Amino acid sequence: DAGVIQSPRHEVTEMGQEVTLRCKPISGHDYLFWYRQTMMRGLELLIYFNNNVPIDDSGMPEDRFSAKMPNASFSTLKIQPSEPRDSAVYFCASSPPRGAVSRETQYFGPGTRLLVL
Amino acid sequence: EDQVTQSPEALRLQEGESSSLNCSYTVSGLRGLFWYRQDPGKGPEFLFTLYSAGEEKEKERLKATLTKKESFLHITAPKPEDSATYLCAVQGAGNNRKLIWGLGTSLAVNP
Repeated sequence: DAGVIQSPRHEVTEMGQEVTLRCKPISGHDYLFWYRQTMMRGLELLIYFNNNVPIDDSGMPEDRFSAKMPNASFSTLKIQPSEPRDSAVYFCASSPPRGAVSRETQYFGPGTRLLVL
Repeated sequence: EDQVTQSPEALRLQEGESSSLNCSYTVSGLRGLFWYRQDPGKGPEFLFTLYSAGEEKEKERLKATLTKKESFLHITAPKPEDSATYLCAVQGAGNNRKLIWGLGTSLAVNP
């Protein structure tokens, strides 16, 4: 079975440029999470969706960050304009619906390593 | 405020030398405690979920236990392939699916 798919795997960009990260969750999962991981702060939840609707975006750092989920199989995280302090690994994760086995477990993608120069 | 603290930050073991990793937590109404393994350059990989104090789960050389204040991940006779960062996370009460994560323990097992 295909796991969570993220693209690109690596992104190098210059300060001020727009960055778009993409995620395809596991088929049948109705929760999708976006995380940022750094050495200093560890894993931080940015936003999560349920049935394509944003439920909690309290972790989104500022207005430069936005996330969308137009359908059950695709989500984007956009940073505009990007800054050097946004350099981190961004993970997408998904989890099954209520009532499913292991319903609370989050399954992670391989991540996107972002470097903003 | 919900909080997770993992110790030690780093641990180096010889192959076969058993040890334990600690995850201390403060949360309003624990709904679940999760252990993940993360290899360099990869996403976290799910290991265990524990739901109530006294619960234990095992997988190969790993055994996770839970009390009302902390969880331990016991590693018995580790092998070099057990080298990874081990992450702990908790989910509090309510319908929120948000997990609070620790910073992890980096484990190195020398042959």
